Amino acid sequence: GAGVSQSPRYKVAKRGQDVALRCDPISGHVSLFWYQQALGQGPEFLTYFQNEAQLDKSGLPSDRFFAERPEGSVSTLKIQRTQQEDSAVYLCASSLSVDNQPQHFGDGTRLSIL
Amino acid sequence: GNSVTQMEGPVTLSEEAFLTINCTYTATGYPSLFWYVQYPGEGLQLLLKATKADDKGSNKGFEATYRKETTSFHLEKGSVQVSDSAVYFCAPGGGNKLTFGTGTQLKVEL
Repeated sequence: GAGVSQSPRYKVAKRGQDVALRCDPISGHVSLFWYQQALGQGPEFLTYFQNEAQLDKSGLPSDRFFAERPEGSVSTLKIQRTQQEDSAVYLCASSLSVDNQPQHFGDGTRLSIL
Repeated sequence: GNSVTQMEGPVTLSEEAFLTINCTYTATGYPSLFWYVQYPGEGLQLLLKATKADDKGSNKGFEATYRKETTSFHLEKGSVQVSDSAVYFCAPGGGNKLTFGTGTQLKVEL
């Protein structure tokens, strides 16, 4: 497709369950980013991939959060043993490269933990 | 790391009014600067960018100038429309990440 695609758009899970969020970047984009956006706040950086290599995961809030991009295209953000504070919108973005190129965002996955 | 300060919202304007949303940043070096817009229920859309000092980014009637001396990147539009109602984010980009503030909500009324 023409843009960044994320699925599902909405996810409701019970506390303690594991969830997986998918991101399909723009074709040919080398760089892929995950952000977390709490209600009423700006997005906060979670992690970054260049092709299949995860070069920065400094923003992941705990070891319950794990991201992968095994073939350098589609990426999955996994959250284990979800907690209520994980409720947020998770945004994925991609760009042609790193050097000052604009990031193009998907519509996000709204995660609600009950 | 980078940080950004935007004016508090919501900003409420009448249609055709002049818009200014202030943005100042702190950064290591001279990052590219971006404005993103987020409509309700949607992801962020790139509005405009500037990559070096004194560059002016513009799009859809919006513009912003990269001011190195004041570390600012204020967003302006001469005549807003109801369809401009959204949340606007200023973001310095450095290396592998964008740094966002809390955003400024704009409401434009008839």
